[in-house]
Amino acid sequence: DAGITQSPRYKITETGRQVTLMCHQTWSHSYMFWYRQDLGHGLRLIYYSAAADITDKGEVPDGYVVSRSKTENFPLTLESATRSQTSVYFCASSEQGGNRGSEQYFGPGTRLTVT
Amino acid sequence: GNSVTQMEGPVTLSEEAFLTINCTYTATGYPSLFWYVQYPGEGLQLLLKATKADDKGSNKGFEATYRKETTSFHLEKGSVQVSDSAVYFCALPRDQGAQKLVFGQGTRLTINP
Repeated sequence: DAGITQSPRYKITETGRQVTLMCHQTWSHSYMFWYRQDLGHGLRLIYYSAAADITDKGEVPDGYVVSRSKTENFPLTLESATRSQTSVYFCASSEQGGNRGSEQYFGPGTRLTVT
Repeated sequence: GNSVTQMEGPVTLSEEAFLTINCTYTATGYPSLFWYVQYPGEGLQLLLKATKADDKGSNKGFEATYRKETTSFHLEKGSVQVSDSAVYFCALPRDQGAQKLVFGQGTRLTINP
């Protein structure tokens, strides 16, 4: 039972390069999320998706692109990486909860360094 | 939208000490409340949750009670261990019925032997 996986776990890239971070979940959860975690900023939501082909911006979407052609995959692309995008990126998923909301399950993270 | 205020850290305790990490929230309605834990180099893990007023969530010796009257969800453990050293996050839905969560800033806990 793999749960939610992210790849790569570590990535070093140069400024201006395009890089894609992968996220895969085996639970068939409706919702998927991308966060970045930085010292002093906590967790910030980049993009989220309610279902295949439905995505929406979070708090800090600039410079990122997402797609979701299949329920289980939610890749995050940095179109032209900048040093300010050096961070730890977490993918998460959740079921469609009721009126009280639902817990999210997190992947192990990708540590991205932009040089 | 909903918001959460979490006790600032870092917190340093000796092994077997009693732990409290404060969390207060403002919310519309009565959302579920969550505590997450993040060990070094790992993603966040759901530690416990409570879905309605007066519910007590518990896991691994940790407990938190959903207090509607004080809008609080404080995390407690009676006797901490070195292995409890981690960062702890309080969270709740951003809005009523929303699937997005809002997280506290996190409290770094270090337990010394």
